[in-house]
Amino acid sequence: GQQLNQSPQSMFIQEGEDVSMNCTSSSIFNTWLWYKQDPGEGPVLLIALYKAGELTSNGRLTAQFGITRKDSFLNISASIPSDVGIYFCAGRNAGNMLTFGGGTRLMVKP
Amino acid sequence: NAGVMQNPRHLVRRRGQEARLRCSPMKGHSHVYWYRQLPEEGLKFMVYLQKENIIDESGMPKERFSAEFPKEGPSILRIQQVVRGDSAAYFCASSPGRRGTGELFFGEGSRLTVL
Repeated sequence: GQQLNQSPQSMFIQEGEDVSMNCTSSSIFNTWLWYKQDPGEGPVLLIALYKAGELTSNGRLTAQFGITRKDSFLNISASIPSDVGIYFCAGRNAGNMLTFGGGTRLMVKP
Repeated sequence: NAGVMQNPRHLVRRRGQEARLRCSPMKGHSHVYWYRQLPEEGLKFMVYLQKENIIDESGMPKERFSAEFPKEGPSILRIQQVVRGDSAAYFCASSPGRRGTGELFFGEGSRLTVL
């Protein structure tokens, strides 16, 4: 089946720093989604991307849909303690199926 | 709250018992997905359902697991004769359907512990 490689698996950064994470796939996706999951909660949708090359922002978050449709990145600017959590990328194929990356665990030093 | 509702939030079962997890999708959503998450791991697809139809169950174990989404009422994920390895968080998500944007909205999960 389709697989998404998400990196890094975890990162420990200083408050105020910018963060970057990405997902790559061997398959093409029609939609890329980025979710955040807090401990004990369900994933919450952060950003959705629908077109190759699309760059979308949501506050301090910026995500891009790669031109090849096989990758996406998420940037967080000026990180704050509440950014802590696990970030998941997800790609949707033509069959409406969503495949998730393994997650990036973000830890922020105050 | 018109979000995806899952219950129970926590369920404890002994080996060999049955577990039933329920999911009510967001209002207006006709497609339901179930995912399993083991501790410190990502979300693994299990099954994709529409009302009264299983669209894709390629992620469901062949035995002991079943899912339904009846015409009336919530979607049910049923695990028979549970084993310790079934302990996990089970998440339900819903979407408007094929003509929607493809965005999935998740519930808060049901955490199953098998003793």
